[in-house]
Parts: sequence; structure tokens; C-alpha cells
Amino acid sequence: ELKVEQNPLFLSMQEGKNYTIYCNYSTTSDRLYWYRQDPGKSLESLFVLLSNGAVKQEGRLMASLDTKARLSTLHITAAVHDLSATYFCAVGNNAGNMLTFGGGTRLMVKP
Amino acid sequence: NAGVTQTPKFQVLKTGQSMTLQCAQDMNHEYMSWYRQDPGMGLRLIHYSVGAGITDQGEVPNGYNVSRSTTEDFPLRLLSAAPSQTSVYFCASRPEGGRANEQFFGPGTRLTVL
Repeated sequence: ELKVEQNPLFLSMQEGKNYTIYCNYSTTSDRLYWYRQDPGKSLESLFVLLSNGAVKQEGRLMASLDTKARLSTLHITAAVHDLSATYFCAVGNNAGNMLTFGGGTRLMVKP
Repeated sequence: NAGVTQTPKFQVLKTGQSMTLQCAQDMNHEYMSWYRQDPGMGLRLIHYSVGAGITDQGEVPNGYNVSRSTTEDFPLRLLSAAPSQTSVYFCASRPEGGRANEQFFGPGTRLTVL
């Protein structure tokens, strides 16, 4: 059974600081997704990572994938208040028909 | 394109009542799925469909039925609602083919079972 663990579960940071969210998963997969969810809203796709060593960047967010370590990271650079949200990683199975989600990281960026 | 739409947005049921959560997409996506999100948790897959007439169970299928008679629609039925089914339900779809398998989520239905 695939298990996906994120840490930290809650992150409070000051604007301008850097931090990394970690996503570990238990079985082999080369499909890793990052989503953002604002309170009371749906999920917005941020990144799709499909190979070992994949790195994608959008604004102040950068995601990477290490399939050998079964680890993905979401790095936040010089955080701003607008990044406050809950971030989920999700791992796809090899058949491509299921996503298993981590528990989410609630990020709060304070001025 | 409206994308993935869900109705209703909110619903309150009494234990034992039945209802259908509606999901539709206008992107001609073959794959559709239903997830539930409980407080402080990630999404868990209930059922999915890879095309009209084809459905399969996900991680937490008990208490839910689905059918897929058209490409556009994928309703989720609760036959006898229980308080444990209080949750936010998200429908998602994605196109077939390619490796990305990126799913697009609807706005969600918040269900409370008393």
C-alpha cells in the first residue's frame, strides 16, 4: 500500500524567509504532483514531476523529485503573504489511475 | 469551457437518507474520479472511471456507488448516508494518454450528515 507523508504539517514563516516542504512516499513511483488549496477552495495544480531529478520552478516555488530516495521537495524562496495556503503532494501509481495524497502542509506567511 | 462542475455546493442530510452528488466536465476527458477530504487530511480516492461504462473502486469505496453512462457525467450516490460520510467531496478529470496524468478538480461539495 502506497503511503505518502508530508512534513511539516504546519509551517508559520516570516515574509522574506526560505523554507522547504518534504514529501516522502513508500513505493516506487515516477509521478509526483504538487497542489495548492486555499481555504474553502478546490485544488490548483502547481507542478507535475515525471522523472528522477526533475526540477520545476514557478515564481517563488521550486519543486524537485528524487525517485531513488522516494522524496520530493517544495522549496519556498523569499516567502510572501500570498503564498499562505495548504500544499499537498500526491503520488501516482504506475497504472496512472490513482493518486495518493499526503496529509498537506498548512503554510502561513506572516508580514 | 466550464471545466469540472459539481452540484450542489452544500448539502445537509439526515442519517439514512440517500442523495446523488453530480459531477460534469466539458473537456472530453475519459478519466474521472471522486475524492473525499476530511478535516486536516489529504484527499482519498473513492471511485474512478476510465471511460463510459467502466468504473472501479478506489481507496475508500464503501457506502458509495457510481456509474458512468456518458463521457461528461460521473455522479456519486450515497444510498444510506452516515455521519462518517460528512466530508468535502471533490470530482476530478483528466485526459487519457501521455504520462502527465494531471488531474483537474471541481469546486467541491460540502456534505454534512446529521
